[in-house]
Amino acid sequence: AQTVTQSQPEMSVQEAETVTLSCTYDTSESDYYLFWYKQPPSRQMILVIRQEAYKQQNATENRFSVNFQKAAKSFSLKISDSQLGDAAMYFCAYRSTGTASKLTFGTGTRLQVTL
Amino acid sequence: NAGVTQTPKFQVLKTGQSMTLQCAQDMNHEYMSWYRQDPGMGLRLIHYSVGAGITDQGEVPNGYNVSRSTTEDFPLRLLSAAPSQTSVYFCASSTAGRTNYTFGSGTRLTVV
Repeated sequence: AQTVTQSQPEMSVQEAETVTLSCTYDTSESDYYLFWYKQPPSRQMILVIRQEAYKQQNATENRFSVNFQKAAKSFSLKISDSQLGDAAMYFCAYRSTGTASKLTFGTGTRLQVTL
Repeated sequence: NAGVTQTPKFQVLKTGQSMTLQCAQDMNHEYMSWYRQDPGMGLRLIHYSVGAGITDQGEVPNGYNVSRSTTEDFPLRLLSAAPSQTSVYFCASSTAGRTNYTFGSGTRLTVV
C-alpha cells in the first residue's frame, strides 16, 4: 500500500519569508498524482497545487511551488512571501492512476505565520 | 452554489445510537468518498463509490455503512456509535479522472 509521510508536525515562518514543507511517499507505480491541500481553521479542504508524475516540470500556483523529485519520491511545498492567511494545516496526498486507486493523505504539517 | 454539501455540521451521539451523515453534490461527479480526520493521523478513507449502485471499502470501514442510490447522494451510516468514532468526517467528490477533488465542509461528531 502507498504511504505518505510528512515528517514536520509543525513549522513556523515569519510574514514575508519563505518556508518549505516536506513530503515523501512510497510507491512502486510510475504514474501518479500528488497534491497539497490546505486546511485553515474553518476546516475546509482547499487544493493548493497538483503535480502529475509524468510531467518533469514542477507545478507552480502564484506564491506556491513544489520541488518534485521523482527518483527520491519527494514532493515538497514552498510558500514564498508568506502571509498571515497561509496559517493552516497542510496535507500532502497521493493517488496512483489506476481505476481502483484512492487518495492517500499524510498526517499533516501545521504552519504558523508570525509577524 | 455548486459543490459538496454535508449535514449536519455538528452532532453529539450517545454510545449505541445510530445516525446518518448526509452528503450531496450537484456537479454530476461519478466518484464520491468518505474520510475521517483524527489528530495526528491525517484523513483516512472509510468508504467510496465510483458510481450509482457501486460502493467499496476503504482503509477504516468497520462500524460504517454506505449506499449510493443516486449520483448526487452518498450517505454514511453509523450503525451503533462508539466513542472511537468521535472524529471529523469529510465527504469528497470528483470526476471519473479523479484529478480534482471537492470536499464538503465536514461534520464534527462526538460520541459520549
